[in-house]
Amino acid sequence: EVQLVQSGAEVKKPGESLKISCKGSGYSFTSYWIGWVRQMPGKGLEWMGIIYPGDSDTRYSPSFQGQVTISADKSISTAYLQWSSLKASDTAMYYCARREVVGATVDYWGQGTLVTVSS
Amino acid sequence: SYELTQPPSVSVSPGQTARITCSGDALPKKYAYWYQQKSGQAPVLVIYEDSKRPSGIPERFSGSSSGTMATLTISGAQVEDEADYYCYSTDSSGNLWVFGGGTKLTVL
Repeated sequence: EVQLVQSGAEVKKPGESLKISCKGSGYSFTSYWIGWVRQMPGKGLEWMGIIYPGDSDTRYSPSFQGQVTISADKSISTAYLQWSSLKASDTAMYYCARREVVGATVDYWGQGTLVTVSS
Repeated sequence: SYELTQPPSVSVSPGQTARITCSGDALPKKYAYWYQQKSGQAPVLVIYEDSKRPSGIPERFSGSSSGTMATLTISGAQVEDEADYYCYSTDSSGNLWVFGGGTKLTVL
């Protein structure tokens, strides 16, 4: 069974750093892309970027370039999303999702990680 | 930048057909994907590559695409289909992937 299990909710202060994780199981982790999606409170889905764990090829949506860093450790089938200096506007639910290499179907999603940034 | 445009809301009575549209300049040449998101839950894929239905998705869900518009159709909508629906696709270069703004489907 394909599963993407994300790390737990976080409460941080502005200016702090954070790294959240997404662990894949039930499939070949290096044969699919892993993407990250932001959903701010009461708002829609936003595609942030994507990584191919097989060779760490990483692509960011323009709105998120320079704002976050996406990485992966294929030895433990885990992808990461990190911030070096959080802002209150980073408060959101963050989802990881698996995307096919051939075609672009995003078929499996993690359960989401709620990040709250507040002083 | 690239945008996919959806109506903010659609409302139908149970048993009626709900149609949710998604407009984008690159849709004549790029596939559309549709996701259902119920309150407090992660999104679920309901249609991929314009019109294919994943296993486990009820047959009442179908998709089509013509010109710059993709359409998700729910034939005989049920109360349990109440959710936000998002289309997803890419621009003509295939490098910029975006979601539509989402459509809130009300079935009552």
